[in-house]
Amino acid sequence: AAGVIQSPRHLIKEKRETATLKCYPIPRHDTVYWYQQGPGQDPQFLISFYEKMQSDKGSIPDRFSAQQFSDYHSELNMSSLELGDSALYFCASSLRTPIYEQYFGPGTRLTVT
Amino acid sequence: GEDVEQSLFLSVREGDSSVINCTYTDSSSTYLYWYKQEPGAGLQLLTYIFSNMDMKQDQRLTVLLNKKDKHLSLRIADTQTGDSAIYFCAESPGSQTGANNLFFGTGTRLTVIP
Repeated sequence: AAGVIQSPRHLIKEKRETATLKCYPIPRHDTVYWYQQGPGQDPQFLISFYEKMQSDKGSIPDRFSAQQFSDYHSELNMSSLELGDSALYFCASSLRTPIYEQYFGPGTRLTVT
Repeated sequence: GEDVEQSLFLSVREGDSSVINCTYTDSSSTYLYWYKQEPGAGLQLLTYIFSNMDMKQDQRLTVLLNKKDKHLSLRIADTQTGDSAIYFCAESPGSQTGANNLFFGTGTRLTVIP
């Protein structure tokens, strides 16, 4: 079965640079979620989209923005990167109905030097 | 806010049962989940339970929910070395917009001793 695809899998950036992470949800899934997992920590919800509209917002810094496109893929844009942004970034997708099965991608490991 | 807590470590012998516990504080939680994360990998959805249920069984996995005490547990029968991983419980309050963002516990690192 098709899974959530994230690209790139690994990304190395320097401080103050920008990064763009991409997420391709499971086909027919209409809701996308972004999570950030710092080293040794639990995943923290950043933001979600349903039908290309922002649905919920969590602890996403103002330096980050995201959107969902007409083909349902989503991009997380991160600017003015800081060392503390180094983390695993997960995308997850689900159907709005039923909404309780949320499937995660393999993650993008971002390292800021 | 949503606080979800788990014990950090659990070691069991291969073939024994493992019980991973989780407590949460948000009484409006609609769905409760267990995810498995192997080193360097993504989060694998193992099972979930609705808040109006008190038990769910799925092959070697049994989930028990005590809503009064806000306590969730995951029992893995006949634990195997391949079960070694970090196990996260997560809860979803179910927002008014219908989205289902998850709040995760701290994770329990399960080590299975051969």
